[in-house]
Amino acid sequence: ETGVTQSPTHLIKTRGQQVTLRCSSQSGHNTVSWYQQALGQGPQFIFQYYREEENGRGNFPPRFSGLQFPNYSSELNVNALELDDSALYLCASSYTGTDTQYFGPGTRLTVL
Amino acid sequence: KQEVTQIPAALSVPEGENLVLNCSFTDSAIYNLQWFRQDPGKGLTSLLLIQSSQREQTSGRLNASLDKSSGRSTLYIAASQPGDSATYLCAVRRAGNMLTFGGGTRLMVKP
Repeated sequence: ETGVTQSPTHLIKTRGQQVTLRCSSQSGHNTVSWYQQALGQGPQFIFQYYREEENGRGNFPPRFSGLQFPNYSSELNVNALELDDSALYLCASSYTGTDTQYFGPGTRLTVL
Repeated sequence: KQEVTQIPAALSVPEGENLVLNCSFTDSAIYNLQWFRQDPGKGLTSLLLIQSSQREQTSGRLNASLDKSSGRSTLYIAASQPGDSATYLCAVRRAGNMLTFGGGTRLMVKP
């Protein structure tokens, strides 16, 4: 157990809809990163938040956005869902200056 | 742009064998390298982390090596067990805590 939780576990949406995924980090972890993992591939970095501000973004369009809250929770929002957005979404929390990132169990998103 | 490659993509071995998983990366300017384990449909569990200044790390039956100059890392698993069956991912970290992952090696250890 990493102490990082994600909700929901599974989600089914249709193309064009919007979705919000949630992550609850370990207490004290001021950095959260989100990753997208397509089936059979390694995770790809979406973005990172540090002290409630975006602190780096991978090669993802602006319809992927996030929020980080003072209570160590965070959200990943995806607008105008596309079929290729179907994937496992992972969040990882850490404390700035340390090497270890703790991953949650992921949310499996299916877009029909 | 950093690219990480893992070979082989899949591996099936009988129980008790020693095995080596390979990871290569294109940009040697890394901060550290990590090996993760992922069970089907689950999150990632960190196995070993090697700082850029280190050559290897060991934990139980696992040994990971790092050759930064050649852009290579190996994960050695001794005396494999069926419970070792999982996908193994390597990831390199550059500045900013962003991890770049390889595609993973799916390992099956048969009893």
